Amino acid sequence: KNEVEQSPQNLTAQEGEFITINCSYSVGISALHWLQQHPGGGIVSLFMLSSGKKKHGRLIATINIQEKHSSLHITASHPRDSAVYICAVTTGGNQFYFGTGTSLTVIP
Amino acid sequence: GAVVSQHPSRVICKSGTSVKIECRSLDFQATTMFWYRQFPKQSLMLMATSNEGSKATYEQGVEKDKFLINHASLTLSTLTVTSAHPEDSSFYICSARYGGAPDTQYFGPGTRLTVL
Repeated sequence: KNEVEQSPQNLTAQEGEFITINCSYSVGISALHWLQQHPGGGIVSLFMLSSGKKKHGRLIATINIQEKHSSLHITASHPRDSAVYICAVTTGGNQFYFGTGTSLTVIP
Repeated sequence: GAVVSQHPSRVICKSGTSVKIECRSLDFQATTMFWYRQFPKQSLMLMATSNEGSKATYEQGVEKDKFLINHASLTLSTLTVTSAHPEDSSFYICSARYGGAPDTQYFGPGTRLTVL
């Protein structure tokens, strides 16, 4: 069983739709990360959370520590949001535990 | 923000040759660098962790004689794939962190290796 589970695996949305990607984890964490990987492969860190909620532009990330669950929301989605979104957690040691990613396609 | 570069971004080589991939932290000193491998449509798989000036720690199942890692300075780590074979074809990504932000890793853009 993976320490980090994401859903859905694949998501197709119409431009302008509100999108939610979910992440559940089974280990004690020091932080949870949302990463974005574009088709070219490079990875960008979107958020690092240890509690509550963070917002950056059209992106919102929330975390519920008691339920070991996080969500990434994209408001007013746009084709340029098409990417793979990866949830990862750190447990205070060196290592990241990665989810398998959610592949998002936003259709114009 | 912290920037990590990788070179080359793409390499094609013949079976049996060795390939070196460089990972550099451009604006910070990386106390620890990580090397990942990613297969198509799969998540990142940690290969090894390297601390400057010491031997790399390899994950279970990763051959240290095949994937040589050197972290000679606080801004440079190299991964050498020795005697490459087609099954080594993959996307290799490095990341780096510094002591002031232990929970954060800054990722390089990745290197696409194709072994013919």
